[in-house]
Amino acid sequence: SSELTQDPTVSVALGQTVRITCQGDSLRMYYASWYQQKPGQAPVLVIYGKNNRPSGIPDRFSGSSSGDTASLTITGAQAEDEADYYCNSRDSSSSQVIFGGGTKLTVL
Amino acid sequence: EVQLLESGGGLVQPGGYLRLSCAASGFTFSSYAMSWVRQAPGKGLEWVSTMSGSGSNTHYADSVEGRFTISRDNSKNTLYLQMNSLRAEDTAVYYCAKDLTSSWEGWFDPWGQGTLVTVSS
Repeated sequence: SSELTQDPTVSVALGQTVRITCQGDSLRMYYASWYQQKPGQAPVLVIYGKNNRPSGIPDRFSGSSSGDTASLTITGAQAEDEADYYCNSRDSSSSQVIFGGGTKLTVL
Repeated sequence: EVQLLESGGGLVQPGGYLRLSCAASGFTFSSYAMSWVRQAPGKGLEWVSTMSGSGSNTHYADSVEGRFTISRDNSKNTLYLQMNSLRAEDTAVYYCAKDLTSSWEGWFDPWGQGTLVTVSS
């Protein structure tokens, strides 16, 4: 099966903009979705499709995609955005779903 | 409000079996694919299995193919995961998740709170 690659750790200063990336061949065929997970909690969907936010997700979260790379951007990061972020997509080479390894976001 | 409530986790010996359940409410259960996703302690998310809304299509991760079986009872709004021949590496929190749309995109929303499965002697 295919893989999705994420940077393990990313940091951002409070109020600044941060981009978290996800790279993989499957992203040439399928849109990624992005999940936020805080310690001890279940993941929460924050972005899906081309650039869609479920209801209740702040508009500082946005998504984009180009070629084999999907990106999650947080514009004006808040302290409460400190969490693990995972991307996923359908696998273009099988009938499976794949997740990236996750990115731990630290807000300084 | 959509709610998913997993149950059935616990401690089991290697080689043993366990059946997880996920009770769903707040939406037309039979219209949506449902999935199981797991997370080993301190590790990332791993997709396990998906079943279509009608139950006619199933998909499995290579790591569980042949050992785990996903099923659903649309009359009871419940998703199941039968786990056989359990191994230490199956130790994880198991989440059930609803597909966001009625076509299987692999966009999971929402997720249940998870149930912990520990495989150890």
